[in-house]
Amino acid sequence: VMTQSPSTLSVSPGERATLSCRASQSVSSDLAWYQQKPGQAPRLLIYGASTRATGTPARFSGSGSGTEFTLTISSLQSEDFAVYYCQGHNNWPRYTFGQGTKLEIK
Amino acid sequence: QVHLVQSGPEVKKPGASVKVSCQTSGYAFINFGITWVRQAPGQGLEWMGWINPKNDDTTYEQEFQGRVTMTTDTSTSTVYMELRNLRSDDTAVYYCARYGDCGRISCPFDYWGQGTLVTVSS
Repeated sequence: VMTQSPSTLSVSPGERATLSCRASQSVSSDLAWYQQKPGQAPRLLIYGASTRATGTPARFSGSGSGTEFTLTISSLQSEDFAVYYCQGHNNWPRYTFGQGTKLEIK
Repeated sequence: QVHLVQSGPEVKKPGASVKVSCQTSGYAFINFGITWVRQAPGQGLEWMGWINPKNDDTTYEQEFQGRVTMTTDTSTSTVYMELRNLRSDDTAVYYCARYGDCGRISCPFDYWGQGTLVTVSS
């Protein structure tokens, strides 16, 4: 089970956002982050806990291993306000998602 | 350029079946697994199962066992997901996605279809 916190995060543009994800058992470094905007499919941002997917801006960074992970957005842009999901991708093929964190404008 | 294009929205009555298609292009179809993920209105993402287009091996989430079937048509590089005995709580957007190629043993979903809204209502 993947648990994300907080459920909603309010941050001003230009500020830093930090999102957390906790796994109920170790996923090693097999942790992905997705971004989903309204009416769109999720988009892969980060995999392997810290590797940015193709096209992911450098302001997105991931860290952690085992059961505790963090997604940091260094300086929020208007297009970053969305819902973010973490996903353990170690238990192939059954990859479970967290419940999501909604990042909203403060 | 990889694309996954899904079929259009569906409205079904309780007890009916729905079959959603996911046509892929831009890569070697048999080399990448395809998963189906659904999202109920205002809710999170739920993994339903996957299919290996190389040999049609499938794994389904226990919740959907007996109601879901995933198939492929290699001639058109298309994957299908059929869900039977629909209930109102099956109302959701259904996404297909590709298991990626990330240089690791297990990779997350790198390309997604646009989603198909299935509405179940009497």
